[in-house]
Amino acid sequence: AQSVAQPEDQVNVAEGNPLTVKCTYSVSGNPYLFWYVQYPNRGLQFLLKYITGDNLVKGSYGFEAEFNKSQTSFHLKKPSALVSDSALYFCAVRDHGSGNTGKLIFGQGTTLQVKP
Amino acid sequence: DAGVIQSPRHEVTEMGQEVTLRCKPISGHNSLFWYRQTMMRGLELLIYFNNNVPIDDSGMPEDRFSAKMPNASFSTLKIQPSEPRDSAVYFCASRSVDGTGYNEQFFGPGTRLTVL
Repeated sequence: AQSVAQPEDQVNVAEGNPLTVKCTYSVSGNPYLFWYVQYPNRGLQFLLKYITGDNLVKGSYGFEAEFNKSQTSFHLKKPSALVSDSALYFCAVRDHGSGNTGKLIFGQGTTLQVKP
Repeated sequence: DAGVIQSPRHEVTEMGQEVTLRCKPISGHNSLFWYRQTMMRGLELLIYFNNNVPIDDSGMPEDRFSAKMPNASFSTLKIQPSEPRDSAVYFCASRSVDGTGYNEQFFGPGTRLTVL
């Protein structure tokens, strides 16, 4: 079965420090991986995706993610956290069983708290 | 583009009443997804459409829930009768299908439903 796991419910970092939000996946076939962010009382916003090519993917707001096939991971990173990065982050993988409809399997989400 | 539009943004109703949530996808997008988000269960996919046709409704919790997409620019999610456990934030998302499955979903702002 295809799945996504975000092992941490919450990540706390100090402003200015690097941050990492972890994601591991299990899929049949090539993984198409996505990160979304949800600010309070808002919908999910797309941050970045990995389809193929370079293992380091750059996205919005200075975020990047590293695809690691051997570890089946797609961790989200940022070199220097901002208080405004505090939000709920979702990792997702495309469900290959759904053809090209783009159905995603989401992780349970990780709350990022950046303290001043 | 105005993005995905959902209405109403907030709905408070009494148990037993019919509730209709509305979604206008981004123009040109031909896949549409309905999600429900709660603290207990996280983000759940309820149903999705491709070219106005329902593809998978296995996430619809009960027969009280129904969804339609009469045309490419409008979809509804109806709950009849509503129950307090239906209280949640309901999101609509859309994406364009390009034959690859690579494109990301774009989420609306959500409808916060409270059933008393």
